[in-house]
Amino acid sequence: DVKVTQSSRYLVKRTGEKVFLECVQDMDHENMFWYRQDPGLGLRLIYFSYDVKMKEKGDIPEGYSVSREKKERFSLILESASTNQTSMYLCASSPLPDRGNQPQHFGDGTRLSIL
Amino acid sequence: AQSVTQLDSHVSVSEGTPVLLRCNYSSSYSPSLFWYVQHPNKGLQLLLKYTSAATLVKGINGFEAEFKKSETSFHLTKPSAHMSDAAEYFCVVTRSGGFKTIFGAGTRLFVKA
Repeated sequence: DVKVTQSSRYLVKRTGEKVFLECVQDMDHENMFWYRQDPGLGLRLIYFSYDVKMKEKGDIPEGYSVSREKKERFSLILESASTNQTSMYLCASSPLPDRGNQPQHFGDGTRLSIL
Repeated sequence: AQSVTQLDSHVSVSEGTPVLLRCNYSSSYSPSLFWYVQHPNKGLQLLLKYTSAATLVKGINGFEAEFKKSETSFHLTKPSAHMSDAAEYFCVVTRSGGFKTIFGAGTRLFVKA
């Protein structure tokens, strides 16, 4: 089974801090994604990466950056945390599609609180 | 353009009765469609997927979904609800390449004893 591991389940940080959320997948997937999930807003894509050192903005990239130095690891960075970034963050990975589309596999999420 | 609409934000059923969670989609391309389940404080788990093979798709835990192109629907069903099915369910559509993924707003399923 695919395993996507997010380094922290719960995290509390202060406004203005630089925050790192780490995600590791063990199935050699090319694609990796970061989402945030908020009540009433569903899942929103922050960034995704389809290869090492490659990244693409999603729907809400402002205030975030990402790093993918190794294929298995995709990091989300909050450059200067703000209270409106308090949320549940979900990491996902998927292989390249063959003839169809492949599902994404999700980690258990990191619930981040910014005080 | 793609979109996905989950027609009910909440569904409540009694244990042992059928479950129906409704999903309509819009896609300019041949879509791939998925249903995921999310239990409290967990990530999303894949229930089943449709990728242009059989229109009736069987998933895990007794769930299945039928792709109806004429109705642009992909409703999720289960013959008999179990207490452990209480969770939030997401209908998801992607198009070729898989980079553009649209999540529905979710349907919360309540199961009464």
